[in-house]
Amino acid sequence: GIQVEQSPPDLILQEGANSTLRCNFSDSVNNLQWFHQNPWGQLINLFYIPSGTKQNGRLSATTVATERYSLLYISSSQTTDSGVYFCAAQNSGGYQKVTFGTGTKLQVIP
Amino acid sequence: SQTIHQWPATLVQPVGSPLSLECTVEGTSNPNLYWYRQAAGRGLQLLFYSVGIGQISSEVPQNLSASRPQDRQFILSSKKLLLSDSGFYLCAWRRLHSGNTIYFGEGSWLTVV
Repeated sequence: GIQVEQSPPDLILQEGANSTLRCNFSDSVNNLQWFHQNPWGQLINLFYIPSGTKQNGRLSATTVATERYSLLYISSSQTTDSGVYFCAAQNSGGYQKVTFGTGTKLQVIP
Repeated sequence: SQTIHQWPATLVQPVGSPLSLECTVEGTSNPNLYWYRQAAGRGLQLLFYSVGIGQISSEVPQNLSASRPQDRQFILSSKKLLLSDSGFYLCAWRRLHSGNTIYFGEGSWLTVV
């Protein structure tokens, strides 16, 4: 099945700083999503982005499907951005499996 | 609008006891349904997925099982829990066809003692 890798595994930011999180996947995809898991365990959908670029407030994401990676940008980080960020992908083979990366744990300090 | 619920939210079970976690989706029909487990706060492992009633695909051999008795109901079970079954269990759904967003329930925290 498809392999999904995220980097960096851990990230500490000063409040107000910008960051880029990366997601590499091993096969062509027809589904790529970014999630934020808050300290209570809830998984929040950030972006559905199998290709192209999307923006939502201070967050934006870009997926370059031909090169098999996606990036999540966080600008002007806030302490509420802390948590674990996951990307998840489904390959184009028609299977219904959605595979998650290992996550990036972000801590934003005041 | 569509909603997903799973319960119980937390439970503490002794080793060797049975388990039943239930998940239901409202506001849609023929969803794909998923059970994931998250151990040690990182990494979601796909346990089971289902594309229809009675159709279950298992990803990880273990002492857990899943059933889909109704279109929008997905149940995770075990006959005898192990300590290693402790973790955070998440149910999720997605529309039948590929290319749609996957949505998660609130999760269930299981501690096996």
